[in-house]
Amino acid sequence: GDSVTQMEGPVTLSEEAFLTINCTYTATGYPSLFWYVQYPGEGLQLLLKATKADDKGSNKGFEATYRKETTSFHLEKGSVQVSDSAVYFCALSLSSGGYQKVTFGTGTKLQVIP
Amino acid sequence: NAGVMQNPRHLVRRRGQEARLRCSPMKGHSHVYWYRQLPEEGLKFMVYLQKENIIDESGMPKERFSAEFPKEGPSILRIQQVVRGDSAAYFCASSPRQGAIDEQFFGPGTRLTVL
Repeated sequence: GDSVTQMEGPVTLSEEAFLTINCTYTATGYPSLFWYVQYPGEGLQLLLKATKADDKGSNKGFEATYRKETTSFHLEKGSVQVSDSAVYFCALSLSSGGYQKVTFGTGTKLQVIP
Repeated sequence: NAGVMQNPRHLVRRRGQEARLRCSPMKGHSHVYWYRQLPEEGLKFMVYLQKENIIDESGMPKERFSAEFPKEGPSILRIQQVVRGDSAAYFCASSPRQGAIDEQFFGPGTRLTVL
């Protein structure tokens, strides 16, 4: 079946450090790929997405590139801030029965310390 | 415009009791999705509903679990005779139409603990 694997957390970084959170996927079709962020006490929010190979999604300084050859969608940010502390979920979606079903990774907790 | 509301945020039940989780979608949204996150796992799709209809319940356990989205009022996820393995975070999402995942807006979740 379809699955998403992302690096385990927690990831602890100092402010202004470079961030990479790895994500790889397995899918039977040609999925769209997403990163979601969940701040403490809140629901998941869509951070960025990419719908085809070599697309780069970006938002709020975060980037991820859809790599079909390595089935990966790693999340990166050049300089993290304390306010980026949250749980990050990688996800894929495939069309099924006229709508899109989503498969999520387990989430990676990021802690940024001043 | 209020976001997706879920209540209660935390629910504690003893084995054998019933759990009712409520989800109020965003205004104007008539599609609701329920997901479950077991400890150390990702969110797993459970059920997709439109007003008064269950569209896809392929992720729902066959027994004890049911969901509804009546014409009026919130969507309800009902778990009968809860067991310890039901302890999880339950998230709902809503969307204005059937289609793209990036139109799904998530609620803050209900954390269910079964003693």
